[in-house]
Amino acid sequence: DVKVTQSSRYLVKRTGEKVFLECVQDMDHENMFWYRQDPGLGLRLIYFSYDVKMKEKGDIPEGYSVSREKKERFSLILESASTNQTSMYLCASQTGAPPYEQYFGPGTRLTVT
Amino acid sequence: DAKTTQPNSMESNEEEPVHLPCNHSTISGTDYIHWYRQLPSQGPEYVIHGLTSNVNNRMASLAIAEDRKSSTLILHRATLRDAAVYYCILSRAGAQKLVFGQGTRLTINP
Repeated sequence: DVKVTQSSRYLVKRTGEKVFLECVQDMDHENMFWYRQDPGLGLRLIYFSYDVKMKEKGDIPEGYSVSREKKERFSLILESASTNQTSMYLCASQTGAPPYEQYFGPGTRLTVT
Repeated sequence: DAKTTQPNSMESNEEEPVHLPCNHSTISGTDYIHWYRQLPSQGPEYVIHGLTSNVNNRMASLAIAEDRKSSTLILHRATLRDAAVYYCILSRAGAQKLVFGQGTRLTINP
């Protein structure tokens, strides 16, 4: 079974702190994604990566950056956390061939106070 | 990205079949039809996908209309653990991004 793990299930940070959310997958997938999920807004894509050291902006990249130094690990960075970044963050890993199923981690519920 | 339309919510009873509809009238010939579901407090999980023919797997069946403008996810015998939000998504061949809509919230009554 594909396994996608995220470093924390719950995280509380203060405004202005730098926050790192880690995601690791064990299926040697090329593609990895970061989403945030908010009530009424559904899942929105923040960033994605098709290969090591490669990244592309999603629909809402402002206030975030990412790092992919190794194939299995994709990190989401909040350079200076703000209260409007309080959300559920979901990482996904994806097969590199059609139909491109995505496999999700359990999510990190981040609260910024 | 081609758009899908699903009912906001549906309700069914335990041990009965459930048919979750999805309309995708602007689907193109190379679009795959995916279904994912999200259980409470979990990330979405892949359920099934299809292109033209009906598909079965251990979780569900996918019935695709002949003109491909609609599809139906079938849970043959619903359990309480099937209560979730179900998402119907189209993905274009070669386009890895998936666009999640609001989905259908399925409630299962004991």
